[in-house]
Amino acid sequence: DIHLTQSPSFLSASVGDRVTITCRASQGISTYLAWFRQKPGKAPELLIYAASTLQSGVPSRFSGSGSGTEFTLAISSLQPEDFATYYCQQLNFYPRVTFGPGTKVDIK
Amino acid sequence: QVLLVESGGGVVQPGKSLRLSCAASGFTFSSYNIHWVRQAPGKGLEWVAIIWYHGSDKSYADSVKGRFTISRDNSKNTLYLQMNNLRVEDTAVYYCVRDRYWFNTTGYYLFDYWGRGALVTVSS
Repeated sequence: DIHLTQSPSFLSASVGDRVTITCRASQGISTYLAWFRQKPGKAPELLIYAASTLQSGVPSRFSGSGSGTEFTLAISSLQPEDFATYYCQQLNFYPRVTFGPGTKVDIK
Repeated sequence: QVLLVESGGGVVQPGKSLRLSCAASGFTFSSYNIHWVRQAPGKGLEWVAIIWYHGSDKSYADSVKGRFTISRDNSKNTLYLQMNNLRVEDTAVYYCVRDRYWFNTTGYYLFDYWGRGALVTVSS
């Protein structure tokens, strides 16, 4: 199975900050990677797929990059609704997908 | 709009059974693969099972293989998860998730719509 790691596990930031989250895969997965945001008590929401394609309706402050084993999610200007947990997901071995352990973004 | 609504969650003793349902609306249910994904309290996301759009192919995570069965009724726009021999470690919120195929020089699957989830608690 492919193992995903995320860094950092936790970060504190302020509204308006630029933040980046990294996801690393234990083996190459091309661009078969997605990013999700999960607000407390809610279901995950798809933000980015195919490593860098913005899901319809998702604000342009979100962007994704990377291929192979290293990927990055960037939020250009953090908004109040972005204080949440972020997960990466690999789909290289679809349907047996796996998720990263999550990165919690908290208010500084 | 696309809606997925899970039901059937509850508290059950170890070794017992439970069946979850997921009612779909707002899209052509019979054209999409659907997954179950779960999340234990305070933990991350774990893929559980998939059923292909036609219902003939299914796949399971090793942690539930032989105990859980995924099925669908395309005439009722409904997905099911039959959970047998439940364990304490199956305690989680279970999400029903639609899977869309997107092609752009190569094909990708997207987990684009999620239900609100159904809480299953396995406890004696």
